[in-house]
Amino acid sequence: DAGVIQSPRHEVTEMGQEVTLRCKPISGHDYLFWYRQTMMRGLELLIYFNNNVPIDDSGMPEDRFSAKMPNASFSTLKIQPSEPRDSAVYFCASSSSNTGGYGYTFGSGTRLTVV
Amino acid sequence: KNEVEQSPQNLTAQEGEFITINCSYSVGISALHWLQQHPGGGIVSLFMLSSGKKKHGRLIATINIQEKHSSLHITASHPRDSAVYICAVNMRFGAGTRLTVKP
Repeated sequence: DAGVIQSPRHEVTEMGQEVTLRCKPISGHDYLFWYRQTMMRGLELLIYFNNNVPIDDSGMPEDRFSAKMPNASFSTLKIQPSEPRDSAVYFCASSSSNTGGYGYTFGSGTRLTVV
Repeated sequence: KNEVEQSPQNLTAQEGEFITINCSYSVGISALHWLQQHPGGGIVSLFMLSSGKKKHGRLIATINIQEKHSSLHITASHPRDSAVYICAVNMRFGAGTRLTVKP
């Protein structure tokens, strides 16, 4: 298995533009998580899905952020409009309910810079 | 007070030393996770545990449910162990411990 695949690896965009981050979880994993990491706040859970259904989105900072999981093999995190304070590394992770949902495998992350 | 507290924040050791990183939490627990993040940024899952002790190579993780405390130990530390170690409880994360092992 290729692991959790995120794209793009790096994204530089201008303030006000729409940004879409993509994630392909490990096949067979039924949990998918989106995290954000910044120097100031460390790792933060934004939202997680179980069987493609959003379970907890309390970490989504604002209405500018939205996440979807149309099927078991794909998820997107969208920021519209983007702001400089959204600059961070965004990680996607997946896990299996066979490990209680907590045996994470992380993607390599997307480094977002909003200028 | 954060729900997940780690100590120390930074740790410098000489190669070969025994390392201990601590994690205390205040939330009810389903599972505790230790993660390793290397300077390149990638995050690797080390352990998931809900009771007792787990060992993998030179790494040992323990948890005391009653005391709401977990420790990550590294025996015979090596410069390649230099990384940030993160404790996570129920998808809430500690701030991480930055470990530097000097040759």
